[in-house]
Amino acid sequence: NAGVTQTPKFQVLKTGQSMTLQCAQDMNHEYMSWYRQDPGMGLRLIHYSVGAGITDQGEVPNGYNVSRSTTEDFPLRLLSAAPSQTSVYFCASSYSRGGGEPYEQYFGPGTRLTVT
Amino acid sequence: EDQVTQSPEALRLQEGESSSLNCSYTVSGLRGLFWYRQDPGKGPEFLFTLYSAGEEKEKERLKATLTKKESFLHITAPKPEDSATYLCAVQVTGANSKLTFGKGITLSVRP
Repeated sequence: NAGVTQTPKFQVLKTGQSMTLQCAQDMNHEYMSWYRQDPGMGLRLIHYSVGAGITDQGEVPNGYNVSRSTTEDFPLRLLSAAPSQTSVYFCASSYSRGGGEPYEQYFGPGTRLTVT
Repeated sequence: EDQVTQSPEALRLQEGESSSLNCSYTVSGLRGLFWYRQDPGKGPEFLFTLYSAGEEKEKERLKATLTKKESFLHITAPKPEDSATYLCAVQVTGANSKLTFGKGITLSVRP
Protein backbone atom coordinates (compact mmCIF):
# COMPACT_ATOMS: atom_id res chain seq x y z
CA ASN A 1 0.00 0.00 0.00
CA ALA A 2 1.17 3.53 -0.81
CA GLY A 3 -0.85 4.90 2.13
CA VAL A 4 -1.78 8.57 1.78
CA THR A 5 -0.24 10.39 -1.17
CA GLN A 6 -0.27 14.11 -1.89
CA THR A 7 0.66 16.15 -4.94
CA PRO A 8 2.36 18.46 -5.57
CA LYS A 9 5.06 18.55 -2.89
CA PHE A 10 5.79 22.22 -3.47
CA GLN A 11 3.80 24.99 -5.11
CA VAL A 12 4.18 28.73 -5.56
CA LEU A 13 1.12 30.78 -6.48
CA LYS A 14 0.43 34.42 -7.10
CA THR A 15 -2.33 36.16 -5.17
CA GLY A 16 -5.68 35.50 -6.80
CA GLN A 17 -4.70 32.30 -8.58
CA SER A 18 -6.61 29.10 -7.96
CA MET A 19 -5.32 25.56 -7.67
CA THR A 20 -6.18 22.10 -6.42
CA LEU A 21 -4.13 20.08 -3.96
CA GLN A 22 -4.53 16.38 -4.60
CA CYS A 23 -4.87 13.70 -1.95
CA ALA A 24 -5.41 9.97 -2.45
CA GLN A 25 -5.43 6.94 -0.16
CA ASP A 26 -5.44 3.24 -1.00
CA MET A 27 -6.49 1.89 2.42
CA ASN A 28 -10.25 2.07 1.80
CA HIS A 29 -10.60 4.50 4.70
CA GLU A 30 -13.97 6.16 5.22
CA TYR A 31 -12.67 9.35 6.77
CA MET A 32 -10.41 11.90 5.15
CA SER A 33 -9.31 15.30 6.39
CA TRP A 34 -7.28 18.32 5.39
CA TYR A 35 -5.10 20.22 7.87
CA ARG A 36 -2.82 23.19 7.60
CA GLN A 37 0.28 23.60 9.72
CA ASP A 38 1.71 27.01 10.52
CA PRO A 39 4.62 27.89 12.82
CA GLY A 40 3.43 28.33 16.40
CA MET A 41 -0.14 27.33 15.51
CA GLY A 42 -0.08 23.57 15.36
CA LEU A 43 -2.22 21.57 12.94
CA ARG A 44 -5.65 23.02 12.24
CA LEU A 45 -8.52 21.24 10.53
CA ILE A 46 -9.77 22.80 7.29
CA HIS A 47 -12.37 20.34 5.96
CA TYR A 48 -13.17 16.71 6.48
CA SER A 49 -15.25 13.94 4.94
CA VAL A 50 -16.93 10.93 6.56
CA GLY A 51 -17.49 9.17 3.26
CA ALA A 52 -17.99 9.64 -0.47
CA GLY A 53 -20.40 12.49 -1.11
CA ILE A 54 -20.25 13.82 2.46
CA THR A 55 -18.07 16.73 3.55
CA ASP A 56 -18.08 19.23 6.41
CA GLN A 57 -16.18 22.27 7.60
CA GLY A 58 -13.44 22.24 10.17
CA GLU A 59 -11.87 25.03 12.19
CA VAL A 60 -10.48 27.16 9.32
CA PRO A 61 -12.57 26.51 6.16
CA ASN A 62 -12.68 29.99 4.60
CA GLY A 63 -11.06 30.22 1.17
CA TYR A 64 -11.05 26.45 0.63
CA ASN A 65 -13.43 24.07 -1.07
CA VAL A 66 -13.60 20.26 -1.05
CA SER A 67 -15.59 17.47 -2.62
CA ARG A 68 -15.45 13.69 -2.27
CA SER A 69 -16.72 11.80 -5.30
CA THR A 70 -14.81 8.58 -4.52
CA THR A 71 -13.55 6.86 -1.37
CA GLU A 72 -9.95 7.20 -2.54
CA ASP A 73 -9.68 10.90 -3.44
CA PHE A 74 -10.21 14.10 -1.47
CA PRO A 75 -8.95 17.19 -3.34
CA LEU A 76 -8.63 20.59 -1.70
CA ARG A 77 -9.32 23.64 -3.87
CA LEU A 78 -8.03 27.12 -3.22
CA LEU A 79 -10.49 29.43 -4.89
CA SER A 80 -8.47 32.67 -4.93
CA ALA A 81 -5.12 32.31 -3.22
CA ALA A 82 -4.06 34.84 -0.58
CA PRO A 83 -0.70 35.26 1.21
CA SER A 84 -2.43 34.13 4.44
CA GLN A 85 -2.81 30.71 2.84
CA THR A 86 0.94 30.22 2.74
CA SER A 87 1.32 27.07 4.80
CA VAL A 88 2.05 23.36 4.76
CA TYR A 89 -1.02 21.29 3.97
CA PHE A 90 -1.52 17.74 5.17
CA CYS A 91 -4.14 15.24 4.14
CA ALA A 92 -5.06 12.41 6.50
CA SER A 93 -7.28 9.36 6.42
CA SER A 94 -8.72 7.04 9.04
CA TYR A 95 -11.15 4.18 9.52
CA SER A 96 -13.82 3.54 12.04
CA ARG A 97 -13.52 0.46 14.22
CA GLY A 98 -17.03 0.97 15.48
CA GLY A 99 -18.14 0.73 19.09
CA GLY A 100 -17.15 4.32 19.86
CA GLU A 101 -13.42 3.62 19.62
CA PRO A 102 -11.16 6.43 18.39
CA TYR A 103 -10.01 6.66 14.80
CA GLU A 104 -6.28 6.64 14.19
CA GLN A 105 -5.42 9.07 11.44
CA TYR A 106 -2.63 8.49 8.94
CA PHE A 107 -1.02 11.49 7.29
CA GLY A 108 0.40 12.17 3.86
CA PRO A 109 3.81 13.80 3.28
CA GLY A 110 2.39 17.30 2.86
CA THR A 111 2.28 20.08 0.26
CA ARG A 112 4.29 23.21 0.96
CA LEU A 113 2.42 26.17 -0.55
CA THR A 114 3.72 29.71 -0.90
CA VAL A 115 1.45 32.53 -2.06
CA THR A 116 3.19 35.72 -3.17
CA GLU B 1 -13.93 24.64 23.69
CA ASP B 2 -11.59 21.68 23.45
CA GLN B 3 -7.99 22.58 24.26
CA VAL B 4 -4.67 20.76 24.13
CA THR B 5 -1.52 22.22 25.69
CA GLN B 6 1.91 20.68 25.32
CA SER B 7 4.95 21.49 27.44
CA PRO B 8 7.72 22.35 27.26
CA GLU B 9 7.81 23.89 23.78
CA ALA B 10 11.34 22.62 23.26
CA LEU B 11 13.54 20.15 25.10
CA ARG B 12 17.23 19.46 24.69
CA LEU B 13 18.60 16.25 26.16
CA GLN B 14 21.93 14.54 26.26
CA GLU B 15 21.97 11.04 24.78
CA GLY B 16 20.87 8.65 27.52
CA GLU B 17 19.19 11.35 29.62
CA SER B 18 15.59 10.23 30.22
CA SER B 19 12.75 12.74 30.39
CA SER B 20 9.02 13.24 29.88
CA LEU B 21 6.89 15.34 27.55
CA ASN B 22 3.56 16.62 28.84
CA CYS B 23 0.19 16.99 27.11
CA SER B 24 -2.67 18.43 29.14
CA TYR B 25 -6.17 18.57 27.74
CA THR B 26 -9.60 20.02 28.42
CA VAL B 27 -12.37 18.35 26.44
CA SER B 28 -16.06 17.72 26.75
CA GLY B 29 -15.68 13.96 26.41
CA LEU B 30 -12.54 12.09 25.44
CA ARG B 31 -12.77 9.38 22.82
CA GLY B 32 -9.02 9.01 22.44
CA LEU B 33 -5.64 10.72 22.81
CA PHE B 34 -2.97 10.31 20.16
CA TRP B 35 0.77 10.85 20.03
CA TYR B 36 2.49 11.51 16.75
CA ARG B 37 6.11 12.04 15.77
CA GLN B 38 6.97 14.53 13.04
CA ASP B 39 10.35 14.83 11.36
CA PRO B 40 11.28 18.05 9.51
CA GLY B 41 9.62 18.26 6.10
CA LYS B 42 7.46 15.18 6.68
CA GLY B 43 3.95 14.34 7.74
CA PRO B 44 3.07 13.25 11.29
CA GLU B 45 3.75 9.59 11.98
CA PHE B 46 1.34 7.78 14.29
CA LEU B 47 2.84 6.46 17.55
CA PHE B 48 0.13 5.65 20.12
CA THR B 49 -3.56 5.77 20.89
CA LEU B 50 -4.72 5.93 24.52
CA TYR B 51 -8.39 5.38 25.34
CA SER B 52 -8.86 5.61 29.09
CA ALA B 53 -7.22 6.88 32.27
CA GLY B 54 -4.57 4.51 33.57
CA GLU B 55 -3.73 3.12 30.17
CA GLU B 56 -0.08 2.78 29.11
CA LYS B 57 1.50 1.93 25.75
CA GLU B 58 5.15 1.27 24.94
CA LYS B 59 7.26 1.24 21.80
CA GLU B 60 11.03 0.91 21.98
CA ARG B 61 12.27 3.81 24.15
CA LEU B 62 8.85 5.52 24.29
CA LYS B 63 6.10 5.00 26.82
CA ALA B 64 2.82 6.91 26.79
CA THR B 65 0.53 7.21 29.81
CA LEU B 66 -2.89 8.80 30.32
CA THR B 67 -4.74 10.36 33.25
CA LYS B 68 -8.07 12.19 33.27
CA LYS B 69 -6.36 15.52 32.62
CA GLU B 70 -3.06 14.81 30.91
CA SER B 71 -0.80 12.43 29.07
CA PHE B 72 2.93 11.91 29.34
CA LEU B 73 5.34 10.63 26.75
CA HIS B 74 8.31 9.19 28.63
CA ILE B 75 11.55 8.80 26.71
CA THR B 76 14.02 6.39 28.27
CA ALA B 77 17.72 6.66 27.38
CA PRO B 78 17.06 8.68 24.21
CA LYS B 79 19.27 8.53 21.15
CA PRO B 80 19.95 11.28 18.58
CA GLU B 81 17.53 9.58 16.18
CA ASP B 82 14.72 10.34 18.64
CA SER B 83 15.12 14.03 17.77
CA ALA B 84 11.81 15.21 16.26
CA THR B 85 8.69 17.16 17.07
CA TYR B 86 6.16 15.21 19.13
CA LEU B 87 2.51 16.07 18.65
CA CYS B 88 -0.39 15.30 20.95
CA ALA B 89 -3.98 15.29 19.70
CA VAL B 90 -7.40 14.50 21.16
CA GLN B 91 -10.55 13.15 19.60
CA VAL B 92 -13.77 13.89 21.39
CA THR B 93 -16.94 11.85 21.48
CA GLY B 94 -19.40 12.71 18.75
CA ALA B 95 -16.75 14.39 16.61
CA ASN B 96 -16.25 11.61 14.05
CA SER B 97 -12.59 11.61 13.08
CA LYS B 98 -11.76 15.22 13.93
CA LEU B 99 -8.57 15.80 15.89
CA THR B 100 -7.57 18.79 18.00
CA PHE B 101 -3.80 19.15 18.13
CA GLY B 102 -1.40 20.74 20.55
CA LYS B 103 1.41 22.89 19.18
CA GLY B 104 4.01 20.19 19.59
CA ILE B 105 7.26 19.70 21.52
CA THR B 106 10.55 19.86 19.65
CA LEU B 107 12.98 17.35 21.11
CA SER B 108 16.69 17.54 20.38
CA VAL B 109 19.00 14.77 21.62
CA ARG B 110 22.72 15.51 21.53
CA PRO B 111 25.24 12.69 21.13
